[in-house]
Parts: sequence; C-alpha cells; structure tokens
Amino acid sequence: NAGVTQTPKFQVLKTGQSMTLQCAQDMNHNSMYWYRQDPGMGLRLIYYSASEGTTDKGEVPNGYNVSRLNKREFSLRLESAAPSQTSVYFCASSEEAGAYYEQYFGPGTRLTVT
Amino acid sequence: QKEVEQNSGPLSVPEGAIASLNCTYSDRVSQSFFWYRQYSGKSPELIMSIYSNGDKEDGRFTAQLNKASQYVSLLIRDSQPSDSATYLCAVTPPGSGGGADGLTFGKGTHLIIQP
Repeated sequence: NAGVTQTPKFQVLKTGQSMTLQCAQDMNHNSMYWYRQDPGMGLRLIYYSASEGTTDKGEVPNGYNVSRLNKREFSLRLESAAPSQTSVYFCASSEEAGAYYEQYFGPGTRLTVT
Repeated sequence: QKEVEQNSGPLSVPEGAIASLNCTYSDRVSQSFFWYRQYSGKSPELIMSIYSNGDKEDGRFTAQLNKASQYVSLLIRDSQPSDSATYLCAVTPPGSGGGADGLTFGKGTHLIIQP
C-alpha cells in the first residue's frame, strides 16, 4: 500500500514551458487535492476533485489545469510556466471519517521555473 | 477571508517538557480541525483531528478545541528531539461537505525540542 505517490520529485522548467504533475492514490479515496506550499505562505489549495469526474477551483487556480483521469489519478498541468509558479506541490487524498474528511499527502514535487 | 493563525515561532522547549501549540481561526462556524506535522523537506503528516469541544488524546498528543473562543491547541507531552518539526493547523471551512473540498491551513509553528 503506497498511499499517495507523485511524479516527478524534482523539476526545473524554463519560463513558458509546460508540464504535467502526476498523482495517484491506492487507498480508494473519492476526493483528491492539489496544494502548493511557498515559504511564508503556508499550504494553499489549487484545485480539488470531490469525486471521479468532477473538479473545482481552490484558492489559487490561475495558471493551472487539472484532470481527474479515474478514481486513482489526479494530474495538475502548467500550460505556460512562470517564475511565480516556483513552489513545492503536494497532492492529497481524503478518507471520510464519519461526517468529515481526513487528508493524506503525497511526498511532493519541487518545481523551479527559471 | 477565512484565516487560520499560528505563531510562526520558533518555539523552543526542553526535552521531556510539554510543548503547547496554539491556533486561532476566524470563521465561527468551522466544523473540523486538524494538526499536521511536517519535517523539513517532507510532506505534512496527519497527527490529530478533532471535531467536538473539549480534549482528544492520542498517546503523547492532546488536541483541545474551544469553538466559542475559536481556538484549537495541540499539547505534546514528554517532548522528544524527534518532535522537532513544523506543526500545521488546518480547518475545514463551513459548507465544505465536511472537508471534501479542501482545508484552510495556517502557516505553521516551528517547534524545536532542546536535548
């Protein structure tokens, strides 16, 4: 049981390049999330998918797109990378615990845009 | 604007003492509350969740919730050097389906346990 996995672990892009960050979970969770973490800013929600086939914007969606490929996989795409998107990106999935959802995080992707 | 506030620290505590971490939140009707531990360069790890007023204990950890004061805290008893990390407080916004649509995080408190 690997939990939440993310690829790649590290990436360097030039401004204007595109890339897709991959996330998969093997815990049969319905909900999945993408966050970014910047120094002094904490974790901020980019997009989420409450169930297979649905996606919604979070706090900071501009410059990103997502795809919920199936129940296991949720990808994040940067179409035209900008230096402001230099960050650590975390994928998470959540398990319903009674009436609430407990989130579990993947190891993260460290992205640098030059 | 929903906010979760934490003292950034660093909070320095001697080994074996009780570490007390605090968090306040702005939205009075927030429903569920979480504490995550994050070691440097690693991902957040869920250590406690609490939904009702009062205390919840799990091993050396105790979470305390006071909804009237909009305050949630984490106590770590018998602190160990391995507890040195950043502790993130997270809150489920109201109307969020119990958290299915994401959490609002504080910026974290950096805790240092001195041997």
